[in-house]
Amino acid sequence: GQQLNQSPQSMFIQEGEDVSMNCTSSSIFNTWLWYKQEPGEGPVLLIALYKAGELTSNGRLTAQFGITRKDSFLNISASIPSDVGIYFCAGLKAGGTSYGKLTFGQGTILTVHP
Amino acid sequence: DGGITQSPKYLFRKEGQNVTLSCEQNLNHDAMYWYRQDPGQGLRLIYYSQIVNDFQKGDIAEGYSVSREKKESFPLTVTSAQKNPTAFYLCASSIRADSNQPQHFGDGTRLSIL
Repeated sequence: GQQLNQSPQSMFIQEGEDVSMNCTSSSIFNTWLWYKQEPGEGPVLLIALYKAGELTSNGRLTAQFGITRKDSFLNISASIPSDVGIYFCAGLKAGGTSYGKLTFGQGTILTVHP
Repeated sequence: DGGITQSPKYLFRKEGQNVTLSCEQNLNHDAMYWYRQDPGQGLRLIYYSQIVNDFQKGDIAEGYSVSREKKESFPLTVTSAQKNPTAFYLCASSIRADSNQPQHFGDGTRLSIL
């Protein structure tokens, strides 16, 4: 089935460092989403991107919808210990006969050392 | 508060037993989804429902069943035919299945075999 290639798989960083992760796909999406999941909990939506080229921020988080509509990246600036978790990208196709199926990346595990 | 409630948080299944996971939402969303999450993997779609009294198989529906008798509720039954049921199960909802609006998730149910 279709997959999103998310990288890196894991990151170990020091508090205060910036983080960057990305997702690429072989097909086009209408919407790109970034979620964060903490242990034992469900994913929480961080940022939603609806337009090619769109750059959106949410506090220290910034995400972009690639011009080709086949990729997206997420940056976290000045990381803090509570940024620890798994970050997932997801692509969404909508309209027509589509049921709005989300395709997920494999996740990036972020560890922040104080 | 509006949201998605999954219960129980932890569930144990004996061999040959069917178990049912509950998912309730008060967001007035039409569409609801069930995902399975295994360690180190992204989310995989089990079943989805675009509207009351309708549901469709996702990518890994074998060994599972669902019902959608009410808009707010989308229970998932893990049957004895599912030979490897140990996983984290996530329920999600969205405004409409054919929209570009994101899915929002509950906090999950962890199912284990006794």
